[in-house]
Amino acid sequence: DAEITQSPRHKITETGRQVTLACHQTWNHNNMFWYRQDLGHGLRLIHYSYGVHDTNKGEVSDGYSVSRSNTEDLPLTLESAASSQTSVYFCASSPRWGGAVAEAFFGQGTRLTVV
Amino acid sequence: DAKTTQPNSMESNEEEPVHLPCNHSTISGTDYIHWYRQLPSQGPEYVIHGLTSNVNNRMASLAIAEDRKSSTLILHRATLRDAAVYYCICTSGTYKYIFGTGTRLKVLA
Repeated sequence: DAEITQSPRHKITETGRQVTLACHQTWNHNNMFWYRQDLGHGLRLIHYSYGVHDTNKGEVSDGYSVSRSNTEDLPLTLESAASSQTSVYFCASSPRWGGAVAEAFFGQGTRLTVV
Repeated sequence: DAKTTQPNSMESNEEEPVHLPCNHSTISGTDYIHWYRQLPSQGPEYVIHGLTSNVNNRMASLAIAEDRKSSTLILHRATLRDAAVYYCICTSGTYKYIFGTGTRLKVLA
């Protein structure tokens, strides 16, 4: 079955280190998204991509970067991890249709702790 | 994409219907109304979406006001498994989903 997987599921890192969170989907979806969710808050959009070599900034993109070299993967990189980036990160994908009727599929999340 | 407003929390008894409201007064003519829910410790999952007409699927029904400025997600018989945070999102051709804080539904046994 097609799926979307995130790795690792849990990670602890030190302040200042570079961290990369992986997201891999097997649906061949054009659209991919990264969100963060902090305790008591909804999901906030970090970056998104509409296809290979396309990336866009979301609501809270400072300190994060993404690259899209193929359809299946959208890794999220924290250039220099900060304690404020401690959060749960969700990746999502959706197909590109003529209208905005695409159901998005979310991964199980990566819990990142920056100490 | 239109901003949405939802109550912070609601309660329902098990086996009873639940009506979750959402206001989206600045919705444009091309915005679809999507509902997602997030069970504890999981990623969000799709529930239903619509444009103008009411919609039904195996999970829920979506009732859209005639002026489209509000909508209601209807769970016909709430179960304990339906306890989750429900998000109402309006989006058009951008395909991206901007989440609000949602409604936390508590189902009482």
